[in-house]
Parts: sequence; structure tokens; C-alpha cells
Amino acid sequence: KQEVTQIPAALSVPEGENLVLNCSFTDSAIYNLQWFRQDPGKGLTSLLLIQSSQREQTSGRLNASLDKSSGRSTLYIAASQPGDSATYLCAVRPGGGGNKLTFGTGTQLKVEL
Amino acid sequence: DTGVSQNPRHKITKRGQNVTFRCDPISEHNRLYWYRQTLGQGPEFLTYFQNEAQLEKSRLLSDRFSAERPKGSFSTLEIQRTEQGDSAMYLCASSPGTGGGRRNTEAFFGQGTRLTVV
Repeated sequence: KQEVTQIPAALSVPEGENLVLNCSFTDSAIYNLQWFRQDPGKGLTSLLLIQSSQREQTSGRLNASLDKSSGRSTLYIAASQPGDSATYLCAVRPGGGGNKLTFGTGTQLKVEL
Repeated sequence: DTGVSQNPRHKITKRGQNVTFRCDPISEHNRLYWYRQTLGQGPEFLTYFQNEAQLEKSRLLSDRFSAERPKGSFSTLEIQRTEQGDSAMYLCASSPGTGGGRRNTEAFFGQGTRLTVV
């Protein structure tokens, strides 16, 4: 059974700081990994999708890396802003393009002025 | 295209009552998913449709839960005889499922329906 862990559970940083969020998964036979952002009481916003054959994906100030063999992914946020405050979730899709995402419990990020 | 739409956004119901939620996926997305999220946890998979066919159900989906997707467009999730343990955010997602490239599995989520059972 796939298990996804995110560390740290919560993080508070001053504005402007670069930061790294971590995601680990127990079964390396994944199809892809997706990072999401969730604001309080809201749905999920897709940030980046990284295929199993890729090492990284970039979108603006965000960069996601994937090391499938070691079961790890990181989300790098450059020059953090207060608007980045949210919960960040990673989710893996099983190999073969399976149909369900398995999520971690998220990292709650607060960026302070 | 306004994204995945879910209604209602909030629902408060008394224990034992039936509730129904609706999800309108992104047009032309043939895959539709339901997830449930409780406070402080990540979403948990409930069920999956490809077009109108329900192809996978989680063991979390007890007999009191039923989902449909008539004509392969919108979907409904019904909970019968609600219990306090059903209180959660119910999230719907869709993905293209067809077309070129491997990005056809990217999931797009709605804003969710927050259910409170009192």
C-alpha cells in the first residue's frame, strides 16, 4: 500500500526566504507526482505535475524535483511572499496510469511580513 | 471553461438525513473522481468514473454512499442516513483522460462541498 509523507507538517518563514518542502513515498512504482496548493476551506489548485521519467518541473518561482528510485520529491519556492501562505500537498499516481491519487497530509506554510 | 464546479459549497444536515452533492467537471474531461478530506488530512480517494462507467470504488465508500455519472457529464454523490462521521469536505476532480501526451492524467479539483452532520 502506497504511503506518502510530507515533512515538515508546518513551516513559518519570513518574506523573501527560499524554502523547500519535502514529500516521500514508499512505493517507487509511480506514474507521476502532482503538487497542489490548498487555501483554508477551499479546494485544491494544481501547481506542478512531474512525470516518472522527469527529474524536475518549473513554473515561475516554483520548482519540483523527483527522485523516483529513492521515493522523494521536493518543492522549492523561491523568494517567498505572504500570498504563498497555504497548505501544500503532494500526491502520487500509481504506475500504469492508475486512477487514484494518494496524498500526503500536507505542509502548512506561513510566510510572514 | 470555468473549471470544476461543485454544489452546494456547504451543507448542514441532521443525522439520519440523506444528502446529495453535484459535480460538473471541466467540459470534455472524461475522467471524474470523488475524494473525501477530513481536517488536517490529505484527500482520500472514494470513486472514479470514466465517462458514465464507475470503474473503481474505495472500501471507504460504504453501502450508504452511491455515485452516478449519467451520460458521462455531471456526477452526483449521495449519502444516505448520514452519520456524524460523514462530516468532511467532499472534493470532485476531473482529468482529460484522452489525447496525446502523458499530461492527460493531470487532476483538476473543484472547491469542494463542506458537509456538517449535526
